[in-house]
Parts: sequence; structure tokens; C-alpha cells
Amino acid sequence: GDSVTQMEGPVTLSEEAFLTINCTYTATGYPSLFWYVQYPGEGLQLLLKATKADDKGSNKGFEATYRKETTSFHLEKGSVQVSDSAVYFCALSDFAASGGGADGLTFGKGTHLIIQP
Amino acid sequence: DTAVSQTPKYLVTQMGNDKSIKCEQNLGHDTMYWYKQDSKKFLKIMFSYNNKELIINETVPNRFSPKSPDKAHLNLHINSLELGDSAVYFCASSQPGGETQYFGPGTRLLVL
Repeated sequence: GDSVTQMEGPVTLSEEAFLTINCTYTATGYPSLFWYVQYPGEGLQLLLKATKADDKGSNKGFEATYRKETTSFHLEKGSVQVSDSAVYFCALSDFAASGGGADGLTFGKGTHLIIQP
Repeated sequence: DTAVSQTPKYLVTQMGNDKSIKCEQNLGHDTMYWYKQDSKKFLKIMFSYNNKELIINETVPNRFSPKSPDKAHLNLHINSLELGDSAVYFCASSQPGGETQYFGPGTRLLVL
């Protein structure tokens, strides 16, 4: 079945540091890929997404590129802020494998990011 | 305007009780979902509904049953609650076809 593997935290960085959170996936179809963010005590918010190979999703200074050859979707940000402290989830939606019907997201286990001033 | 809303936000109850969590979306989406997030933050799909038809039912005990009175609502009913049901439950909605899912704020359930 489908699966998502992401680096487990916590990941602790200083403000203005460069961030990379690795994410790799396995899927039977041709999935869409997502990064969601969960701030403390809140629900999940979509951060960015990519639907086909070589697409780059970007939002709020975060970027991730859909790499089909390496089945990866790593999240990067050039300069993190304290306000970026949250749990980040990589996820996929394998529409084709579902036979064209609705399908749920398959999530990684989440990476807890802590940014220190 | 809240896109996906859930009530209640917190639910504390005793083992063996029956409870419901309500979910409503005003996005006009055709598909709604329920996810469970355990104490380690791991998220897993429980159900999805598309046009009042159950599409997915993962390995969820039959004590859990989704009910959709209309396209905008998908409520989660839980019978005979157990300690292991304690978790945060998230409702979500989307259009079918691998499109973005929008999540509600979550309901934190604690079974004592």
C-alpha cells in the first residue's frame, strides 16, 4: 500500500537557519503530494502541494519539489522564524489507485519543528 | 467564515458511553472525511463519504459509524467508548480527484 516516510523530530534550529525536512513516498498510482502544518492546539492547514513530477509548490517562504525519480518531496525554507514552530506533515493522495473515487490522504508521522530565538 | 467546523471542540466522557461529533463544511465539496490523530500525532484516515456513499472504511471498529444527513454534514457516532478511543478527531472535505483537503479544528476526545 501507499506510505509516506518523513524525518522524525524534534528538529531544533536557530532563527534564520536553513530548513530541510525530508519526505519520501511509495505509491501504486501517480499521487498528488502535500505538506500540511499543525500549529500548537490547532487543526491542519495546507502549506503547499504539487500534483505532477517536477512541480514546485511554494507558500510563506517554504518550497518543495515533486521528484518522481527519487520519490521525494522535501520541504525547504531559507530562513526560519520562531513563528514557524509547528508540526509538519507530508502526505499523498493516490487518486488513480483509488479507481477514480474519493480517497483519504496518507500521512507521514509528522516532524516537530522548534525554532529558537 | 469557517470553512470546516466541528463540535464540540473538547469531549470528556466515561467508558461505555455513546457520543457524537458533528462536522459541517460550507465549501460545497462533494467528499468529506474523518481522521484520527493519536497521542504521537500520527494521522490516519477513518472514513470518507462521497455523495452519501461510503467510499473508504479502514480497519475501524464497527463501534464507529459516520452519518451524513446531507452533503454539507458528516457526523461521527461512537458507541461503547473505550479508553483507546481517546484521540483528536479531524473532519475534512474536498472535491474528488486528489484535490486539496480542508480540515476542521479537531475534536479532542478523552475517555475516562
